Amino acid sequence: ILNVEQSPQSLHVQEGDSTNFTCSFPSSNFYALHWYRWETAKSPEALFVMTLNGDEKKKGRISATLNTKEGYSYLYIKGSQPEDSATYLCASLLGAGNQFYFGTGTSLTVIP
Amino acid sequence: ETGVTQSPTHLIKTRGQQVTLRCSSQSGHNTVSWYQQALGQGPQFIFQYYREEENGRGNFPPRFSGLQFPNYSSELNVNALELDDSALYLCASSLLAGSSYEQYFGPGTRLTVT
Repeated sequence: ILNVEQSPQSLHVQEGDSTNFTCSFPSSNFYALHWYRWETAKSPEALFVMTLNGDEKKKGRISATLNTKEGYSYLYIKGSQPEDSATYLCASLLGAGNQFYFGTGTSLTVIP
Repeated sequence: ETGVTQSPTHLIKTRGQQVTLRCSSQSGHNTVSWYQQALGQGPQFIFQYYREEENGRGNFPPRFSGLQFPNYSSELNVNALELDDSALYLCASSLLAGSSYEQYFGPGTRLTVT
């Protein structure tokens, strides 16, 4: 079993604040890291697919970085809005297989 | 929305019964993965089907089984239900197996076992 850990478990921020979360994963045999955004009562939505050490990806106000050597990824949200409220999941894929290992998620609440 | 649908949305079963959950994959996708998300945990990989064949399995007992059909839709069957099987079951479709493919998730089926 591969341990993927996310922190913090939950976060409350004021509208307009910037915030970031961490996803930690074992660095050996790394293949890919996925970030998902999951709103209540909806399907998890893919945000980023990251594969290379040093990768930086951006989608609007959300960005992510990847460090495969030390086994972590950061997700940043700039100027949080109430519609950013969701659970953010990361999932790691090893090189040998096709099994994604998910973290338990970070629950973000943006207070208007 | 992703175009991946699951049915039913939720259901309640009794311990020892059998259940079948269904997933329609996104058009053009040939791979379906199933996940179990228990309360307070992240999704856990059950198994994956690629072109109608099982293509990897997580740490779940044989009473969890699946099928993939020629149109790439899929079923998850669970026999001899146990209380611990109560969870949200997610399916995800993708185009290729064994690569850093992007997964498209359905909204899930909430199973309660009493």
